[in-house]
Amino acid sequence: GAGVSQSPRYKVAKRGQDVALRCDPISGHVSLFWYQQALGQGPEFLTYFQNEAQLDKSGLPSDRFFAERPEGSVSTLKIQRTQQEDSAVYLCASSFESSYNSPLHFGNGTRLTVT
Amino acid sequence: AQSVTQLDSQVPVFEEAPVELRCNYSSSVSVYLFWYVQYPNQGLQLLLKYLSGSTLVKGINGFEAEFNKSQTSFHLRKPSVHISDTAEYFCAVVGGGNKLTFGTGTQLKVEL
Repeated sequence: GAGVSQSPRYKVAKRGQDVALRCDPISGHVSLFWYQQALGQGPEFLTYFQNEAQLDKSGLPSDRFFAERPEGSVSTLKIQRTQQEDSAVYLCASSFESSYNSPLHFGNGTRLTVT
Repeated sequence: AQSVTQLDSQVPVFEEAPVELRCNYSSSVSVYLFWYVQYPNQGLQLLLKYLSGSTLVKGINGFEAEFNKSQTSFHLRKPSVHISDTAEYFCAVVGGGNKLTFGTGTQLKVEL
């Protein structure tokens, strides 16, 4: 595809359910980031992959959050036992190179609502 | 640690008027600064970036920003806004590593 694709676009989960959010980066992009954007806030860093290696997961808010990118392309962000405070838009971004100079391309996000 | 502060949560402006969106940063290392725009229900799009060199940076859609080290600022400007510029604007900084730290955003509302 031409851009970063995220699915589903919207997800409603009951508290306690597990969810999986998918990110298809631009083909050939080495770096992949996940961000969490709460209502009225800026995006906050969750985790970063360089190819299949998860190099930084310092932003994951709890051990209920898990991300993987097993083949260095598609990535999945999994949230176990969802809580109301997990409600947010989850943004995925990819870039061709791993340096800060390489532009980040963002997907349209997945809006997660936990009821 | 790096951080950015966007003091204005909302900026209303009439069409064809100039606008300035303010951003101040804090960093203990060399800074690389960015402005992103987010249209409703869309992802973020890069407007412009400052890495080094000229302190006046020009971006897409007629926007520009000036890096001011003494004032630790990176304000975004446009001399004449259009209704289509209505969106949320985020200032961001990269310090050590390559992850972006975003501000809380400024909602620009252009009115006729």
